[in-house]
Amino acid sequence: AQSVTQLGSHVSVSEGALVLLRCNYSSSVPPYLFWYVQYPNQGLQLLLKYTTGATLVKGINGFEAEFKKSETSFHLTKPSAHMSDAAEYFCAVTNDYKLSFGAGTTVTVRA
Amino acid sequence: EPEVTQTPSHQVTQMGQEVILRCVPISNHLYFYWYRQILGQKVEFLVSFYNNEISEKSEIFDDQFSVERPDGSNFTLKIRSTKLEDSAMYFCASVGAGGSGELFFGEGSRLTVL
Repeated sequence: AQSVTQLGSHVSVSEGALVLLRCNYSSSVPPYLFWYVQYPNQGLQLLLKYTTGATLVKGINGFEAEFKKSETSFHLTKPSAHMSDAAEYFCAVTNDYKLSFGAGTTVTVRA
Repeated sequence: EPEVTQTPSHQVTQMGQEVILRCVPISNHLYFYWYRQILGQKVEFLVSFYNNEISEKSEIFDDQFSVERPDGSNFTLKIRSTKLEDSAMYFCASVGAGGSGELFFGEGSRLTVL
């Protein structure tokens, strides 16, 4: 069985500030981990993914995430928030071709 | 770039009516999925489909739901008799064999049941 917990359903940051979205997972086997972004009234877009190899992965729009096996975490960060980062972010885990999503974190960016 | 396409983008229906949501997965993909997102809630797994049969389904996917791959390209989700609580965004996804298991999602079909 696999599951994902996203800490914080809503994060508010100032433009230019650090964005940190927390994700912890549980999986009985080494997982593949993903972050997806959903802009209002749109579908799910892949931000980045971890499969194997380097534990720090870089994605689109300046986002990156670090896989920490000892902490079972895959937190998403961006050094400097932009207004266009306002969206819903979903962490997801899979190890059998079935994706399990976290509850999502809504990010708002203040000018 | 190959993409998953879904139709319709928005459908409004009366409670009790049948609805068919259509998806065209990426052409060389082998695994197909339907997910559902009720407004303001998390994305929920409904069903996975491989080798022309359901490989896994969630408790949400009851007898009112069915999936079909009627030809080599389309993958459909049918809701036999819609209920108010079926109102949601329905996402189709596909993934190829091997690789990272990354699911490629369509833009979604918004279903509104009145």
